[in-house]
Amino acid sequence: DQQVKQNSPSLSVQEGRISILNCDYTNSMFDYFLWYKKYPAEGPTFLISISSIKDKNEDGRFTVFLNKSAKHLSLHIVPSQPGDSAVYFCAASGGTYKYIFGTGTRLKVLA
Amino acid sequence: NAGVTQTPKFQVLKTGQSMTLQCAQDMNHEYMSWYRQDPGMGLRLIHYSVGAGITDQGEVPNGYNVSRSTTEDFPLRLLSAAPSQTSVYFCASRNPGQVRPYEQYFGPGTRLTVT
Repeated sequence: DQQVKQNSPSLSVQEGRISILNCDYTNSMFDYFLWYKKYPAEGPTFLISISSIKDKNEDGRFTVFLNKSAKHLSLHIVPSQPGDSAVYFCAASGGTYKYIFGTGTRLKVLA
Repeated sequence: NAGVTQTPKFQVLKTGQSMTLQCAQDMNHEYMSWYRQDPGMGLRLIHYSVGAGITDQGEVPNGYNVSRSTTEDFPLRLLSAAPSQTSVYFCASRNPGQVRPYEQYFGPGTRLTVT
Protein backbone atom coordinates (compact mmCIF):
# COMPACT_ATOMS: atom_id res chain seq x y z
CA ASP A 1 0.00 0.00 0.00
CA GLN A 2 1.71 3.14 -1.21
CA GLN A 3 1.20 5.95 1.27
CA VAL A 4 2.74 8.63 -0.95
CA LYS A 5 1.82 8.65 -4.63
CA GLN A 6 3.07 10.59 -7.60
CA ASN A 7 0.72 9.53 -10.34
CA SER A 8 2.46 11.28 -13.21
CA PRO A 9 5.71 9.50 -14.11
CA SER A 10 6.70 12.28 -16.49
CA LEU A 11 5.90 15.86 -17.47
CA SER A 12 7.12 18.09 -20.30
CA VAL A 13 6.88 21.87 -20.12
CA GLN A 14 8.08 24.72 -22.32
CA GLU A 15 10.81 26.94 -20.94
CA GLY A 16 9.34 29.97 -19.18
CA ARG A 17 6.00 28.30 -18.44
CA ILE A 18 4.77 26.91 -15.15
CA SER A 19 5.55 23.33 -14.09
CA ILE A 20 3.11 21.72 -11.67
CA LEU A 21 4.08 18.45 -10.01
CA ASN A 22 1.53 16.64 -7.90
CA CYS A 23 1.68 14.31 -4.92
CA ASP A 24 -1.08 12.54 -2.99
CA TYR A 25 -0.85 10.86 0.38
CA THR A 26 -3.11 8.59 2.39
CA ASN A 27 -1.82 8.82 5.96
CA SER A 28 -3.41 11.70 7.89
CA MET A 29 -0.65 11.41 10.52
CA PHE A 30 1.93 12.90 8.15
CA ASP A 31 2.88 16.34 9.44
CA TYR A 32 5.81 17.38 7.26
CA PHE A 33 6.31 17.18 3.53
CA LEU A 34 9.39 17.69 1.40
CA TRP A 35 10.34 17.86 -2.27
CA TYR A 36 13.67 16.57 -3.52
CA LYS A 37 15.24 16.98 -6.93
CA LYS A 38 17.46 14.34 -8.50
CA TYR A 39 19.78 14.54 -11.48
CA PRO A 40 21.08 11.34 -13.14
CA ALA A 41 23.98 9.66 -11.32
CA GLU A 42 23.65 12.02 -8.34
CA GLY A 43 21.95 11.79 -4.97
CA PRO A 44 18.69 13.64 -4.34
CA THR A 45 18.99 17.24 -3.14
CA PHE A 46 16.50 19.02 -0.92
CA LEU A 47 14.34 21.59 -2.68
CA ILE A 48 11.55 22.85 -0.44
CA SER A 49 9.37 21.68 2.44
CA ILE A 50 6.12 22.48 4.18
CA SER A 51 4.69 21.79 7.60
CA SER A 52 1.12 20.57 7.94
CA ILE A 53 0.21 23.75 9.82
CA LYS A 54 0.77 25.77 6.63
CA ASP A 55 -0.88 25.63 3.24
CA LYS A 56 1.82 27.35 1.20
CA ASN A 57 5.56 27.84 1.25
CA GLU A 58 7.59 29.82 -1.27
CA ASP A 59 11.28 29.85 -2.07
CA GLY A 60 12.21 31.83 -5.13
CA ARG A 61 10.76 30.15 -8.22
CA PHE A 62 9.48 27.19 -6.18
CA THR A 63 6.19 27.11 -4.28
CA VAL A 64 4.66 24.14 -2.50
CA PHE A 65 0.92 24.04 -1.78
CA LEU A 66 -0.66 21.71 0.75
CA ASN A 67 -4.36 20.78 0.76
CA LYS A 68 -4.85 18.73 3.90
CA SER A 69 -8.51 17.97 3.31
CA ALA A 70 -7.67 16.46 -0.08
CA LYS A 71 -4.39 14.96 1.18
CA HIS A 72 -2.67 16.55 -1.77
CA LEU A 73 0.40 18.67 -2.29
CA SER A 74 1.83 20.26 -5.37
CA LEU A 75 5.09 21.87 -6.40
CA HIS A 76 4.94 24.86 -8.73
CA ILE A 77 8.02 26.02 -10.62
CA VAL A 78 7.70 29.43 -12.24
CA PRO A 79 9.26 30.16 -14.65
CA SER A 80 10.57 26.74 -15.64
CA GLN A 81 14.16 26.58 -16.87
CA PRO A 82 16.03 23.83 -18.77
CA GLY A 83 18.20 23.27 -15.67
CA ASP A 84 15.05 22.21 -13.80
CA SER A 85 14.91 19.04 -15.90
CA ALA A 86 15.30 16.27 -13.31
CA VAL A 87 13.31 13.70 -11.35
CA TYR A 88 11.30 15.19 -8.48
CA PHE A 89 10.37 13.15 -5.41
CA CYS A 90 7.91 14.14 -2.75
CA ALA A 91 8.35 12.72 0.73
CA ALA A 92 6.30 12.73 3.92
CA SER A 93 7.11 12.32 7.58
CA GLY A 94 4.79 11.54 10.47
CA GLY A 95 6.61 12.69 13.57
CA THR A 96 9.16 9.90 13.40
CA TYR A 97 12.53 9.67 11.74
CA LYS A 98 11.10 7.73 8.79
CA TYR A 99 10.33 9.44 5.51
CA ILE A 100 8.06 7.85 2.92
CA PHE A 101 8.95 8.78 -0.63
CA GLY A 102 6.82 8.85 -3.75
CA THR A 103 7.92 7.15 -6.96
CA GLY A 104 9.05 10.38 -8.61
CA THR A 105 8.05 12.51 -11.60
CA ARG A 106 10.53 13.15 -14.40
CA LEU A 107 10.29 16.78 -15.51
CA LYS A 108 11.62 17.83 -18.89
CA VAL A 109 11.78 21.54 -19.63
CA LEU A 110 11.97 22.17 -23.36
CA ALA A 111 14.07 25.09 -24.59
CA ASN B 1 33.52 19.83 3.79
CA ALA B 2 32.84 16.73 1.66
CA GLY B 3 29.25 16.18 2.90
CA VAL B 4 28.08 12.58 2.52
CA THR B 5 30.46 10.23 0.71
CA GLN B 6 29.76 6.69 -0.47
CA THR B 7 32.09 3.97 -1.73
CA PRO B 8 32.21 2.20 -4.06
CA LYS B 9 30.33 3.95 -6.87
CA PHE B 10 29.70 0.70 -8.72
CA GLN B 11 29.84 -2.95 -7.65
CA VAL B 12 29.03 -6.28 -9.26
CA LEU B 13 28.52 -9.27 -6.98
CA LYS B 14 27.70 -12.89 -7.54
CA THR B 15 24.73 -14.42 -5.74
CA GLY B 16 25.75 -15.45 -2.23
CA GLN B 17 28.68 -13.07 -1.89
CA SER B 18 28.81 -10.58 0.94
CA MET B 19 30.03 -7.01 0.91
CA THR B 20 29.89 -3.71 2.76
CA LEU B 21 28.78 -0.40 1.29
CA GLN B 22 30.56 2.46 2.99
CA CYS B 23 28.99 5.77 3.99
CA ALA B 24 30.65 8.65 5.80
CA GLN B 25 29.62 12.20 6.63
CA ASP B 26 31.70 15.07 7.97
CA MET B 27 28.86 17.34 9.11
CA ASN B 28 28.54 15.84 12.61
CA HIS B 29 24.96 14.81 11.83
CA GLU B 30 23.21 12.62 14.38
CA TYR B 31 20.81 10.90 12.01
CA MET B 32 21.94 8.66 9.18
CA SER B 33 19.98 6.32 6.94
CA TRP B 34 20.21 3.97 3.99
CA TYR B 35 17.76 3.90 1.08
CA ARG B 36 17.46 1.85 -2.04
CA GLN B 37 16.02 3.19 -5.27
CA ASP B 38 14.39 0.84 -7.73
CA PRO B 39 12.55 1.70 -10.96
CA GLY B 40 8.93 2.63 -10.24
CA MET B 41 9.45 2.26 -6.47
CA GLY B 42 10.89 5.56 -5.33
CA LEU B 43 13.29 5.58 -2.38
CA ARG B 44 12.69 2.99 0.31
CA LEU B 45 14.26 3.12 3.76
CA ILE B 46 16.41 0.10 4.65
CA HIS B 47 17.91 0.99 8.05
CA TYR B 48 18.50 4.15 9.99
CA SER B 49 20.42 5.41 13.01
CA VAL B 50 19.68 8.28 15.39
CA GLY B 51 23.14 8.26 16.93
CA ALA B 52 26.25 6.20 17.56
CA GLY B 53 25.27 2.77 18.86
CA ILE B 54 21.58 3.16 17.94
CA THR B 55 20.09 1.62 14.80
CA ASP B 56 16.64 0.54 13.70
CA GLN B 57 14.89 -1.06 10.76
CA GLY B 58 13.17 0.75 7.95
CA GLU B 59 10.68 -0.51 5.36
CA VAL B 60 12.90 -3.11 3.65
CA PRO B 61 15.56 -4.35 6.12
CA ASN B 62 15.74 -8.04 5.20
CA GLY B 63 19.14 -9.15 3.94
CA TYR B 64 20.96 -6.09 5.27
CA ASN B 65 22.83 -5.29 8.49
CA VAL B 66 24.06 -1.98 9.83
CA SER B 67 26.08 -0.72 12.77
CA ARG B 68 27.00 2.78 13.93
CA SER B 69 30.16 2.81 16.01
CA THR B 70 31.00 6.47 15.26
CA THR B 71 28.99 9.56 14.38
CA GLU B 72 30.71 9.78 10.99
CA ASP B 73 30.32 6.26 9.58
CA PHE B 74 27.30 4.11 8.80
CA PRO B 75 28.22 1.00 6.77
CA LEU B 76 25.59 -1.22 5.16
CA ARG B 77 26.38 -4.93 4.97
CA LEU B 78 24.85 -7.36 2.52
CA LEU B 79 25.09 -10.75 4.17
CA SER B 80 24.43 -13.02 1.17
CA ALA B 81 23.71 -11.06 -1.99
CA ALA B 82 20.63 -11.92 -4.05
CA PRO B 83 19.57 -10.66 -7.50
CA SER B 84 16.63 -8.87 -5.78
CA GLN B 85 19.22 -6.60 -4.12
CA THR B 86 20.28 -5.16 -7.46
CA SER B 87 19.56 -1.48 -6.94
CA VAL B 88 21.01 1.96 -6.40
CA TYR B 89 21.80 2.59 -2.75
CA PHE B 90 21.80 6.04 -1.16
CA CYS B 91 23.07 7.07 2.23
CA ALA B 92 21.67 10.22 3.84
CA SER B 93 22.23 12.23 6.98
CA ARG B 94 20.61 15.11 8.82
CA ASN B 95 20.87 16.97 12.07
CA PRO B 96 17.58 17.49 13.93
CA GLY B 97 19.12 20.52 15.63
CA GLN B 98 19.89 22.40 12.42
CA VAL B 99 17.93 25.34 11.01
CA ARG B 100 16.07 23.03 8.61
CA PRO B 101 15.85 19.89 10.75
CA TYR B 102 13.97 17.79 8.23
CA GLU B 103 16.43 18.35 5.40
CA GLN B 104 18.43 15.26 4.54
CA TYR B 105 21.73 15.37 2.71
CA PHE B 106 22.25 12.45 0.33
CA GLY B 107 25.41 10.83 -0.93
CA PRO B 108 26.00 10.22 -4.67
CA GLY B 109 24.87 6.60 -4.51
CA THR B 110 26.29 3.11 -5.10
CA ARG B 111 25.00 1.15 -8.09
CA LEU B 112 24.98 -2.54 -7.17
CA THR B 113 24.35 -5.41 -9.56
CA VAL B 114 23.95 -8.97 -8.29
CA THR B 115 24.25 -11.70 -10.93
